[in-house]
Amino acid sequence: DIQMTQSPSFLSASVGDRVTINCKASQNINKYLDWYQQKLGEAPKLLIYNTNSLHTGIPSRFSGSGSGTDFTLTISSLQPEDVATYFCLQHNSGWTFGGGTKLELK
Amino acid sequence: QVQLKESGPGLVQPSETLSLTCTVSGFSLTSYSVSWVRQPSGKGPEWMGRMWYDGDTAYNSALKSRLSISRDTSKNQVFLKMNSLQTDDTGTYYCTREGFAYWGQGTLVTVSS
Repeated sequence: DIQMTQSPSFLSASVGDRVTINCKASQNINKYLDWYQQKLGEAPKLLIYNTNSLHTGIPSRFSGSGSGTDFTLTISSLQPEDVATYFCLQHNSGWTFGGGTKLELK
Repeated sequence: QVQLKESGPGLVQPSETLSLTCTVSGFSLTSYSVSWVRQPSGKGPEWMGRMWYDGDTAYNSALKSRLSISRDTSKNQVFLKMNSLQTDDTGTYYCTREGFAYWGQGTLVTVSS
């Protein structure tokens, strides 16, 4: 089974900061990596699919990059409403989520 | 519009069987697959299994021996049954449509005596 290691587990940043979150797969997953945002008490919300495709309605400050085993979610200018936990999901072979990154405002 | 809604008991006794229903609207179960995903409090989600649009199923290897997913297309429902529940099965259970862009609200399941 493919394992997904997400880092950091916790991140504190200021409004306007550039924020990056990483996911590393235990084996090659090609481009099949999605990113989700989850706010307290809500279901995960799709942000980015297949590494770098922005889901409908998602602000352009969110972007994704990477290939193979290493992937990154970038928020170009952090906004207060971005406070949430972020997860990656690989769907190259089965489906495996990362452990999550909790993002808070400094 | 696309909607999914989970239903089932909030409390299950240890060693008992969990039965959950996902009722969908806005799409056909014969056109789209539906997965079950669970999430312990404060932890990452875990994919449990999938009902494919053609009626086939796929399961997480860690849960396969305890898990069964079925459907009733006439009622637009997908069912999850998992036996031998333990306390670490406590968490929020979601159903989600193929592509994981649409999710139900989730249902909290607590395993406790």
